[in-house]
Amino acid sequence: QKEVEQNSGPLSVPEGAIASLNCTYSDRGSQSFFWYRQYSGKSPELIMFIYSNGDKEDGRFTAQLNKASQYVSLLIRDSQPSDSATYLCAVRSYNTDKLIFGTGTRLQVFP
Amino acid sequence: DTAVSQTPKYLVTQMGNDKSIKCEQNLGHDTMYWYKQDSKKFLKIMFSYNNKELIINETVPNRFSPKSPDKAHLNLHINSLELGDSAVYFCASSQGSRGELFFGEGSRLTVL
Repeated sequence: QKEVEQNSGPLSVPEGAIASLNCTYSDRGSQSFFWYRQYSGKSPELIMFIYSNGDKEDGRFTAQLNKASQYVSLLIRDSQPSDSATYLCAVRSYNTDKLIFGTGTRLQVFP
Repeated sequence: DTAVSQTPKYLVTQMGNDKSIKCEQNLGHDTMYWYKQDSKKFLKIMFSYNNKELIINETVPNRFSPKSPDKAHLNLHINSLELGDSAVYFCASSQGSRGELFFGEGSRLTVL
């Protein structure tokens, strides 16, 4: 079992729709969770982080965390073509401090 | 000013050669990392340094040798390059080992 799992996609959504990106993790000791966006040929950039169960909103982005289910998601409201990128879920273990990345989900937003 | 900068951005070299990648950060962070991203976009941690001390050393061939002369710099030297070393190598930094990571632009290594 991979430590952090994501559906590779592509996830295709029309402009203006809500894109839902999901991630599961195996280490129950994980304490902090991150979403990075990576445009093709570019470096990953941090979008959001979440530490506590529940929802965290920042503009059009909402991160959701459910530690009991070992599940974290990212919702993008009013998706724009400029949101087309690969979204990487990353999980930090409390014990090792290592930030472990999933393989990413490719999102395509079409006009 | 670029926060985390890597040089060179591109390296093309023959198998068996040795190459180095340099990284510098001006964010005042105390922790720096090397990550490798393969052709399937999987980003895997290789090394981490905190204040020049090695704190994470993943299962990486000993042909890879990181060096941190000070907390703002982290270099990666690779000996006897192999085809499988072809990847994009990202340097990153954070404040503390639990802080958010800021990535450099990456160095694309192609081994022929």
